[in-house]
Amino acid sequence: DAGVIQSPRHEVTEMGQEVTLRCKPISGHDYLFWYRQTMMRGLELLIYFNNNVPIDDSGMPEDRFSAKMPNASFSTLKIQPSEPRDSAVYFCASSRQGNEQFFGPGTRLTVL
Amino acid sequence: GEDVEQSLFLSVREGDSSVINCTYTDSSSTYLYWYKQEPGAGLQLLTYIFSNMDMKQDQRLTVLLNKKDKHLSLRIADTQTGDSAIYFCAERGALTGGGNKLTFGTGTQLKVEL
Repeated sequence: DAGVIQSPRHEVTEMGQEVTLRCKPISGHDYLFWYRQTMMRGLELLIYFNNNVPIDDSGMPEDRFSAKMPNASFSTLKIQPSEPRDSAVYFCASSRQGNEQFFGPGTRLTVL
Repeated sequence: GEDVEQSLFLSVREGDSSVINCTYTDSSSTYLYWYKQEPGAGLQLLTYIFSNMDMKQDQRLTVLLNKKDKHLSLRIADTQTGDSAIYFCAERGALTGGGNKLTFGTGTQLKVEL
């Protein structure tokens, strides 16, 4: 199994630009989670899906952030417009029936 | 809301045992997890324990759970330089409602010295 796949691995953009992060969960997993990791705030859950349906988006910081899961094998996290304080590592994780979560390698986002 | 706390740093000598501690507040926790994060990588699940267990051993890893005190520990025997990483404790709440969310601790940076 290839594990959770995220792209891009690194993204550098300028303030105000739109950023789209992508995730492919492990085949057969029905839960997908988006996390953000920073030195100041640690690991924060942004949103999670079950069977492609958003279940809890209470961690999404503000309206500039949106996430979609159009099918079982793909999800996106979009930031529009991006700001320097969005700089972080964004992780996607997936699990089967809510059991142990498997994490992707992360996308390191830098907003200048 | 739920809270999970860990000390930030731990330094040990190679060959010694490491003990990483974690406290949590959610009394409805069902599973507790230990994840390892190496530099530039995602989190890797090391082990987990169900809340009705006191101890779980897996090769060099021993997990102890004191449910009364809401205290979890991870002991790494014969610590090696390859064990240097950040270790996260995480708890999973009740199986209903938001029970599929994990609450993570701040992570403990383990440094193994020669």
